[in-house]
Amino acid sequence: GQQLNQSPQSMFIQEGEDVSMNCTSSSIFNTWLWYKQDPGEGPVLLIALYKAGELTSNGRLTAQFGITRKDSFLNISASIPSDVGIYFCAGQLDTGNQFYFGTGTSLTVIP
Amino acid sequence: NAGVTQTPKFRILKIGQSMTLQCTQDMNHNYMYWYRQDPGMGLKLIYYSVGAGITDKGEVPNGYNVSRSTTEDFPLRLELAAPSQTSVYFCASSYLRGAGQETQYFGPGTRLLVL
Repeated sequence: GQQLNQSPQSMFIQEGEDVSMNCTSSSIFNTWLWYKQDPGEGPVLLIALYKAGELTSNGRLTAQFGITRKDSFLNISASIPSDVGIYFCAGQLDTGNQFYFGTGTSLTVIP
Repeated sequence: NAGVTQTPKFRILKIGQSMTLQCTQDMNHNYMYWYRQDPGMGLKLIYYSVGAGITDKGEVPNGYNVSRSTTEDFPLRLELAAPSQTSVYFCASSYLRGAGQETQYFGPGTRLLVL
């Protein structure tokens, strides 16, 4: 299957700091999705991206679809304690219906 | 809308037992998916369906079966449970916003322990 490399694996930051994480693949994707998963819950969709270069915001979250179509970035500004969780990227190839998931970035926000 | 619902929330099986994980969505989505998530890992696709009567294998289909007789329901069947199937199972559904623009939503998960 497709390999999505998500980094960093984990982050420990102070409340109020900005956060950046990214996802890269060896294949070209036509869709990038970013999810947040709280313990014991299913992933919740944060942002969906459909065009190379697209920059989309959802409150303090901003995600970008990389120009090469092989990567995507998620930024969180002014982090707060409820941002704690695991963030996953998911990508979809031009061909096929499957989404491929990264291994997640675990975010801890220290008050 | 309830969105995507899954039952049961948690189950313990003995090796060799069988069970069906239920998934229902009320958003009239054509596409439905089953994933498993092992500790500290991302999600792996087991099976998916692009519409009633159509199913296809994902990355890790061995040991599982699915059916899609209606748009709303997409049950996942384990015939002979094995310890390797201990995992958290997520069902998801999606729709096409436009050509090639798919958005996917997840249920709360079923935690399965096989002993």
